Amino acid sequence: SQQGEEDPQALSIQEGENATMNCSYKTSINNLQWYRQNSGRGLVHLILIRSNEREKHSGRLRVTLDTSKKSSSLLITASRAADTASYFCATGDYNQGGKLIFGQGTELSVKP
Amino acid sequence: DTAVSQTPKYLVTQMGNDKSIKCEQNLGHDTMYWYKQDSKKFLKIMFSYNNKELIINETVPNRFSPKSPDKAHLNLHINSLELGDSAVYFCASSQVTGLYTGELFFGEGSRLTVL
Repeated sequence: SQQGEEDPQALSIQEGENATMNCSYKTSINNLQWYRQNSGRGLVHLILIRSNEREKHSGRLRVTLDTSKKSSSLLITASRAADTASYFCATGDYNQGGKLIFGQGTELSVKP
Repeated sequence: DTAVSQTPKYLVTQMGNDKSIKCEQNLGHDTMYWYKQDSKKFLKIMFSYNNKELIINETVPNRFSPKSPDKAHLNLHINSLELGDSAVYFCASSQVTGLYTGELFFGEGSRLTVL
């Protein structure tokens, strides 16, 4: 199976700065999702964007999707120390039986 | 109320042993999954069940056998454990409509260490 690739693998910023993470994928998709994983915990769903949508907002999160480039970005504005976590994109693909394929994640560190 | 709960949280065992991990969801979802996360945090799907029926079975050694007694439970049994089985195993559930997968709800993970 094919996975997304995330960029950068690690990102370190100061509180108050914006954090941008990118995800590229290889197959056609029906939706793309972003998840957060705090250290030692399970993944938590953040946002889902459908293949016919280009941008979506949720609080301090902004997700874009460019299906022509097979890429997505997650922007976290005004970051906080509590945003420190790993962030994963996951693609849902009809041709993959509806399963979600996860990228390898971006490790975000927000320093106070 | 914990939506997806899995036990045990930690499991340390010797090579060659057999172990099980249990998972339960109280969200009323039809579909449950097992994912494996390795030391580099790479998350790979292993199995998926929909209403007790196996629908996804990735290339997983047959030492791994999932069992779904009802749609709220999905257990994972592993025979003859090997060092390479050491990982964090996550159970998840979702409401799947046809081939469209909505958001996944994950358990807190079960960290398996094989010595």
